Amino acid sequence: AQSVTQLDSHVSVSEGTPVLLRCNYSSSYSPSLFWYVQHPNKGLQLLLKYTSAATLVKGINGFEAEFKKSETSFHLTKPSAHMSDAAEYFCVVYSYNTDKLIFGTGTRLQVFP
Amino acid sequence: NAGVTQTPKFRVLKTGQSMTLLCAQDMNHEYMYWYRQDPGMGLRLIHYSVGEGTTAKGEVPDGYNVSRLKKQNFLLGLESAAPSQTSVYFCASLPRPGGYEQYFGPGTRLTVT
Repeated sequence: AQSVTQLDSHVSVSEGTPVLLRCNYSSSYSPSLFWYVQHPNKGLQLLLKYTSAATLVKGINGFEAEFKKSETSFHLTKPSAHMSDAAEYFCVVYSYNTDKLIFGTGTRLQVFP
Repeated sequence: NAGVTQTPKFRVLKTGQSMTLLCAQDMNHEYMYWYRQDPGMGLRLIHYSVGEGTTAKGEVPDGYNVSRLKKQNFLLGLESAAPSQTSVYFCASLPRPGGYEQYFGPGTRLTVT
């Protein structure tokens, strides 16, 4: 069975500093992994996805994530945080067995000026 | 191309009342999903459909019913609302099986008093 664990429920950074949101996954075969972002009172927007091509995946708004099979991780990073990055971020794995998305519990990112 | 739309955006119900949430997509997607989002719990799958006329239970189906009479619409019903169903409900669609992006609607905020 597939699952994802987001290691931090809250992350706070200062504007202009790097962002690291951590996600570990569990999957019995090569997974499809996603990061979604949800701004306050909004729906979910896809940031990026990994589907067994390049291990470093670039997404929108300067975010990227690296798939590391040896560490079963798919951490989300951004070199320099912006105030508009304040949101909730979800790491998600796709279950090929059931055609369902399995969501992590989310990481709330706060960005201070 | 409106993508995925949800009706209504907000609703307040009294315990025991019934209502139907409508999800519509204009992308000709086969798969559709209903999720609920509660603080600290990510998104949990309520019911889903893999095509017109089909429905299946997700992780938290109790107290909800669904119907997919037309490919573009997926209805979520609450027959007798309970305070535990206070949540934000998201609908999503998927073009076909596999590691593809799910497209999300903007959400419906439901409060049951």
